[in-house]
Amino acid sequence: DAKTTQPPSMDCAEGRAANLPCNHSTISGNEYVYWYRQIHSQGPQYIIHGLKNNETNEMASLIITEDRKSSTLILPHATLRDTAVYYCIVSLLLTGANNLFFGTGTRLTVIP
Amino acid sequence: DAGVTQSPTHLIKTRGQQVTLRCSPKSGHDTVSWYQQALGQGPQFIFQYYEEEERQRGNFPDRFSGHQFPNYSSELNVNALLLGDSALYLCASSSEGIARRNEQFFGPGTRLTVL
Repeated sequence: DAKTTQPPSMDCAEGRAANLPCNHSTISGNEYVYWYRQIHSQGPQYIIHGLKNNETNEMASLIITEDRKSSTLILPHATLRDTAVYYCIVSLLLTGANNLFFGTGTRLTVIP
Repeated sequence: DAGVTQSPTHLIKTRGQQVTLRCSPKSGHDTVSWYQQALGQGPQFIFQYYEEEERQRGNFPDRFSGHQFPNYSSELNVNALLLGDSALYLCASSSEGIARRNEQFFGPGTRLTVL
């Protein structure tokens, strides 16, 4: 069962920052927050993951609250190609037999 | 680097038939996981293969089986197909022993339609 809660859909104007929230109030101390996205008719694509510190890479930033019960994925300058379903997943590190358990995600639509 | 490849791209079968889907992992990866994604839903974990053995399994019946070959490629077999098996089947690969970003790389999927 999914351990995260996300809004089903969001819109964002092209060029603006897209802020996607995720609640994970039952996260345990050794679980990470992963974000993947799935563009229509493609396989999911890794974006970023973090444990408790904020993380940034070439694609996005991940802000995790101090109590780790929620997080926000930030796409700093959304483009039309960022239109996709974004999945927030709580999981142990993907080593050994650990796997990803997806919920239904947030459908982000970037508007011209 | 070709990434994760899957074949075929699309497949149409009838109820009761059997199907085999194939996956080649990303170069350097030794672990393959399979997911089923029904329309409008997130991917659901089926099972994972490592060292040619099934290491973990999700909540799927025994009609779903798999295999991993010495070159790390994998097959997903589904017997006695049901209409509800219609879905996008995704393969994901990862590396067991290397400290990377701990990400799974997904293939484009195989769209299975059961009539």
